[in-house]
Amino acid sequence: DQQVKQNSPSLSVQEGRISILNCDYTNSMFDYFLWYKKYPAEGPTFLISISSIKDKNEDGRFTVFLNKSAKHLSLHIVPSQPGDSAVYFCAASGMAGGTSYGKLTFGQGTILTVHP
Amino acid sequence: SAVISQKPSRDICQRGTSLTIQCQVDSQVTMMFWYRQQPGQSLTLIATANQGSEATYESGFVIDKFPISRPNLTFSTLTVSNMSPEDSSIYLCSVWGNEQYFGPGTRLTVT
Repeated sequence: DQQVKQNSPSLSVQEGRISILNCDYTNSMFDYFLWYKKYPAEGPTFLISISSIKDKNEDGRFTVFLNKSAKHLSLHIVPSQPGDSAVYFCAASGMAGGTSYGKLTFGQGTILTVHP
Repeated sequence: SAVISQKPSRDICQRGTSLTIQCQVDSQVTMMFWYRQQPGQSLTLIATANQGSEATYESGFVIDKFPISRPNLTFSTLTVSNMSPEDSSIYLCSVWGNEQYFGPGTRLTVT
């Protein structure tokens, strides 16, 4: 039972355009969502997060949108740069104070390629 | 953000042996986690290691196979015991500070 799903294994975008990576979840107990970027042979690098009480969070070129009713979140990267080429993982955590707090459930990842 | 280091960065081990992976954090943290990424797969949580208490393991992972120590708020070890080729993975420690941060990983190959 995959509770966090990234249905697009890969995405190819032209430099300067917008990259949109999508993520769906099924567990309504998830309360906090994070996006990570991962290069081969390195650990995941934290990008941006969002709490379930918000529907949008922005940090520079990265914006995460959360649609709680649809159990869907997306990461927008604008403008995309060749250095953004990596695997992107979304992850979800349970509520603060709960037994699953801090325990991340990851999606399968989306390989983003940004062409010059 | 927390700075996390892991040792070794990679190793090749023979089946039936054990390997201990070290994780060092540059600040004191309460919550520390160990994850595994098998080839071509996503990251899966192995266990939570909080200082002062026994590690708690996720479904499919047991203490005899993956014993964990957490002697203080900046250090933890994960041992992969009696290894088989199926244990070939990247093992990552992470900490929950303002966000959850990950170490660089230990790439383990079992032959």
